[in-house]
Amino acid sequence: SQTIHQWPATLVQPVGSPLSLECTVEGTSNPNLYWYRQAAGRGLQLLFYSVGIGQISSEVPQNLSASRPQDRQFILSSKKLLLSDSGFYLCAWSVVGYEQYFGPGTRLTVT
Amino acid sequence: DQQVKQNSPSLSVQEGRISILNCDYTNSMFDYFLWYKKYPAEGPTFLISISSIKDKNEDGRFTVFLNKSAKHLSLHIVPSQPGDSAVYFCAARDYAGNNRKLIWGLGTSLAVNP
Repeated sequence: SQTIHQWPATLVQPVGSPLSLECTVEGTSNPNLYWYRQAAGRGLQLLFYSVGIGQISSEVPQNLSASRPQDRQFILSSKKLLLSDSGFYLCAWSVVGYEQYFGPGTRLTVT
Repeated sequence: DQQVKQNSPSLSVQEGRISILNCDYTNSMFDYFLWYKKYPAEGPTFLISISSIKDKNEDGRFTVFLNKSAKHLSLHIVPSQPGDSAVYFCAARDYAGNNRKLIWGLGTSLAVNP
């Protein structure tokens, strides 16, 4: 069966510090991968998605970037965090463009 | 412009009764609809889906109804249980657009009271 891992679970970072969140998927090949952010009390905002190694589509211009160095690895990064980057970050995978399956999420607090 | 709308931010229901969560959409090219359930500090969990060629799909206590002419779908939970208390998201796939993405509503927070 497929599983998706995200780490860390929680993170507190100062403004201006770098960020690296990692997501890995097991049990499937060539998945579509997604990064979402949920701000407090809001809906799910799609940040990036990837259909293959090195292929990244950005949905919202912002302070973040994404990379996919391996088939089942998706990384969300920032060189300098802003206060507005705080939120709950979710990684998801899908195949065939139907249901997306989400990881447990990372709670990021920028102070 | 919100293409998938969940107009009720919250809903409160008594345990054992029916919960009805509503979702409206504007894009007639949406061909596949999904409902997700999300607990605080967890990732959303896929609940149930429906293709645009159907008008009803049932899975245990969960039934989704689709009214294409009204561009409306609803999720019925019968009977409602306290463990159903969560935020429910409606999502849609745009067959004619980028079908690798889902278009999401903002969610409805359901509280099931014992």
